[in-house]
Amino acid sequence: GAVVSQHPSWVICKSGTSVKIECRSLDFQATTMFWYRQFPKQSLMLMATSNEGSKATYEQGVEKDKFLINHASLTLSTLTVTSAHPEDSSFYICSAMVARNIQYFGAGTRLSVL
Amino acid sequence: AQSVTQPDIHITVSEGASLELRCNYSYGATPYLFWYVQSPGQGLQLLLKYFSGDTLVQGIKGFEAEFKRSQSSFNLRKPSVHWSDAAEYFCAVGAVEYGNKLVFGAGTILRVKS
Repeated sequence: GAVVSQHPSWVICKSGTSVKIECRSLDFQATTMFWYRQFPKQSLMLMATSNEGSKATYEQGVEKDKFLINHASLTLSTLTVTSAHPEDSSFYICSAMVARNIQYFGAGTRLSVL
Repeated sequence: AQSVTQPDIHITVSEGASLELRCNYSYGATPYLFWYVQSPGQGLQLLLKYFSGDTLVQGIKGFEAEFKRSQSSFNLRKPSVHWSDAAEYFCAVGAVEYGNKLVFGAGTILRVKS
């Protein structure tokens, strides 16, 4: 199956700093990627849809200025959590969409903001 | 509004026993359906998918699922569970009409006892 690499897998940062998470499709091109957030013992909540070469589409309630998404190439999307605060601590997962609308997921990034 | 219900938060089965995980959906468009599995601290792995055609679909690791339109269900089954199947399972629904965004159920945690 298609492989999606997400980096880093775990990051700890101080409050007020910014953190960048990368999502790469390794063996295919993805014009569309998705970013999800997962709270402990809960399901995945879609944050935004990332389209190559255009602005991301954010879900209602997601602050676009806090969660910056860039999809500069067909194999890379990045999520930057700006001015992170403890409430931003979570598990962030990306996915890349292939043919027939199938999404393949990265392994996730655990963000801990101190 | 679109929704996915997984009524069982936890299920415990004995190794070698059969398994059925329930999934019901409410969707305003012709859906396509997925089952994903997530091990602790990991991303999601696609088990199987249904788009159209034969309503009984086979997936990886010996899993299968049956789409029943009249019951709005897409239950996941496995005839004989292995200890390595212990994980969390998510049912997800999407549609082209909704931009291929996936709506996830809350997940079912499967425990396997020896």
